Amino acid sequence: DQQVKQNSPSLSVQEGRISILNCDYTNSMFDYFLWYKKYPAEGPTFLISISSIKDKNEDGRFTVFLNKSAKHLSLHIVPSQPGDSAVYFCAARTGTASKLTFGTGTRLQVTL
Amino acid sequence: DTGVSQDPRHKITKRGQNVTFRCDPISEHNRLYWYRQTLGQGPEFLTYFQNEAQLEKSRLLSDRFSAERPKGSFSTLEIQRTEQGDSAMYLCASSLRQGLDEQFFGPGTRLTVL
Repeated sequence: DQQVKQNSPSLSVQEGRISILNCDYTNSMFDYFLWYKKYPAEGPTFLISISSIKDKNEDGRFTVFLNKSAKHLSLHIVPSQPGDSAVYFCAARTGTASKLTFGTGTRLQVTL
Repeated sequence: DTGVSQDPRHKITKRGQNVTFRCDPISEHNRLYWYRQTLGQGPEFLTYFQNEAQLEKSRLLSDRFSAERPKGSFSTLEIQRTEQGDSAMYLCASSLRQGLDEQFFGPGTRLTVL
């Protein structure tokens, strides 16, 4: 049972444009969401997070939006840069648990 | 470098052999996690420790798997009688406390079982 879903396995965006990565979840107990970025041969690196009491969190070029009613979140990267090319994982956690439940990832390719 | 470190980075073994991986978390972090990632999937939770206590284990952690964190610092993950299905990237992460602190991941140990 995939509780966190990233339905787009890959995305290609031109440099300077906006990248939008999407994530859906099914477990209504999730109340904290994170995005991780992963380069080949490295572990995932934390990018940005959002609590369920908010609907938006911004950090520089990265913004995460949360729509609780739709059980959907998205990561916006603007402007996209070639160094953003990586696999992006959406993850979720319930308040009382420590483990993260990850999606299957979206590979972002930022082209020149 | 004060991040999470894992050793070895790669391990190739024959089916039926035992393997052990080590994880050194960020020094002040009292929570340590093990995840497994297979091709095309996201990391899947295996187990976690708070200090030396193992507080949760996933159903993925069969009885051939054992994890320890004897002094609340580094941790080991042992797989006995390895099977080809154990081939995966084993990731370790640490965090400071429960709550909103994010987990910091190590580079992983890639296991290949022949």
